[in-house]
Order: sequence, then structure tokens, then C-alpha cells
Amino acid sequence: LAKTTQPISMDSYEGQEVNITCSHNNIATNDYITWYQQFPSQGPRFIIQGYKTKVTNEVASLFIPADRKSSTLSLPRVSLSDTAVYYCLVGPSGNTGKLIFGQGTTLQVKP
Amino acid sequence: DAGVTQSPTHLIKTRGQQVTLRCSPKSGHDTVSWYQQALGQGPQFIFQYYEEEERQRGNFPDRFSGHQFPNYSSELNVNALLLGDSALYLCASSLQGMRTNEKLFFGSGTQLSVL
Repeated sequence: LAKTTQPISMDSYEGQEVNITCSHNNIATNDYITWYQQFPSQGPRFIIQGYKTKVTNEVASLFIPADRKSSTLSLPRVSLSDTAVYYCLVGPSGNTGKLIFGQGTTLQVKP
Repeated sequence: DAGVTQSPTHLIKTRGQQVTLRCSPKSGHDTVSWYQQALGQGPQFIFQYYEEEERQRGNFPDRFSGHQFPNYSSELNVNALLLGDSALYLCASSLQGMRTNEKLFFGSGTQLSVL
């Protein structure tokens, strides 16, 4: 499974757009990119998943360049409740259940 | 629609003891995966159960074992507890054979403290 690298921490203010970039230089052809969010004392929660180009849902957008060696999670107009740890994961499609988590990015949103 | 439920929420044990953690998957799901999350770290995959059998295993010793019941619920057992086993234990459920790629549903976890 491809290794990912993302910033350990980021700070932002309410109402700003936050972009968290993840590097995955050895991503395989059949790997998808998935982002999870985790609040303290809770399990991770699926945010968004993509394979290439751009994916958007009600909470975030995911931008993936053509070479797929990196990806950017974009959170529009963050609020205090978006303070959490964000994990970038890459892995093959299918229900393997075995996700490889890194340390994640701790996002602190300030008022 | 009930999500993933885990019990107990908190547990305190002493070194050498044994512990059993329980998980009920999300309604409609048949596969359960267990993760260990140490403080400040990302979750680490322990193993996965489907059709009452262990299907995949991470890099954890045999002290960690599990079971899945016919109703898809699961137990995680840890024997001969070590101080280093103190962590948040997460259960994640999914549906085997999904074609829409990985989207695990996690419970809130069991916080285990070993003294």
C-alpha cells in the first residue's frame, strides 16, 4: 500500500478555505485516494474519495492532478467544528477493510 | 439505522490480565475490522473478520485474537496485557463485495488503560 506524507498540523480561521495536501509518490494504478476526519475520542469518519481530477461532495472537494502523485483536500469556509485530524489514505479498490493510516494532519480552526 | 456500536466505552485493566471488547456492525454490514490507536498516532489495522473467519491480519502478536458471530458482531480479545496495549480500540464495519471502494464506518471505540 502506498505511503502518504501530509503536514503534521495546520492553523486556520473561521470562514477561510483550508487546503491540505497529501503526497503519495508511489501510488499504484488501481489505488484510490480517500480522506477521513477524526475528532477526539471518536472513530474516523469518511469524508471523500477520488481516483483522478476533481471530486466534490457536500462537505469537501478533492483535487487530484494528472500524475496522481499528490492530492489536495479542500474544506470551504471552515468553522470551529472542523477542528480535527484529517487522514489521507491510498489503497486499492474493493472492500479489503485494511486501511493504512499515517499520523494525519491536525487542523486547528481559530475564531 | 444504528451505526457501529462498541462496548465498553472505557476499561481499566492491570498488566497480565485479559480483556474482551465487543462490536456490533452497522445494520446491513457483514465485515468487521479492528484497529488500535495509540495516543497521537493514526489507527493501526489489527485484523478483519468475515463469515466468522479471520481474513486479514496486521502486524500484531497472537495475544490479539478475535471472533465473529453469526449475527456479524465481533469480539476482540487481548491476553497477557502489557502497558503498551493502552490505546483506543476501534471497530469498523463494511459490506463485503462492495464495488464502491473503501468506505468504512467506525465506532467511537473502547479506551483501554493498562496499569
